[in-house]
Amino acid sequence: AIRITQSPSSLSASTGDRVTITCRASQGISSYLAWYQQKPGKAPKLLIYAASTLQSGVPSRFSGSGSGTDFTLTISCLQSEDFATYYCQQYYSYPPFTFGPGTKVDIK
Amino acid sequence: EVQLVESGGGLVQPGGSLRLSCAASGFTFSSYWMSWVRQAPGKGLEWVANIKQDGSEKFYVDSVKGRFTISRDNAKNSLYLQVNSLRAEDTAVYYCAKSLVGATLRAAFDIWGQGTMVTVSS
Repeated sequence: AIRITQSPSSLSASTGDRVTITCRASQGISSYLAWYQQKPGKAPKLLIYAASTLQSGVPSRFSGSGSGTDFTLTISCLQSEDFATYYCQQYYSYPPFTFGPGTKVDIK
Repeated sequence: EVQLVESGGGLVQPGGSLRLSCAASGFTFSSYWMSWVRQAPGKGLEWVANIKQDGSEKFYVDSVKGRFTISRDNAKNSLYLQVNSLRAEDTAVYYCAKSLVGATLRAAFDIWGQGTMVTVSS
């Protein structure tokens, strides 16, 4: 199974900051990578798919890049509603469709 | 409105069984691969199983093979997960999720239900 790592596991930031989260796959997954946002007690929300395609309705301050094994999620100007946990997921190799362990973004 | 609503969770003893259900609305259910994803308390997301549009293909994570069975009823716009031989480590919120693209299982999950909690404890 493909292993997914994320870094950092947590970060503290202020509104207006630029935030970057990294996801690394144990083998190449082309661009079959998604990013999700999850707030406490809520279901995950799809932000980006195919590594860099913004899901409909997601603010443009979110962007994704990368292919192969290394990927990044960038929030260009952090807003108060962006404090959450972020997960990446590969859907190239199955089963299983593996998720990263998550990155918690909280208020500095 | 596109929506998924799970039900069927609860408290069950180790070795017990439950049938989780997911009711879909607002989209053509029969056109999409569907999945179950779980999240143990305070932990990350774990994909559990998925099923093809017509039910002819199913995949599972190794830890549930032989114990969990995914199924669907397209006439009822419903997805199911039969969970047997439950263990403490199966305690989690179970989400159903819809694939973004109907034609392939290689797709992100664009719609999620609110989840149903399964607690395995004596």
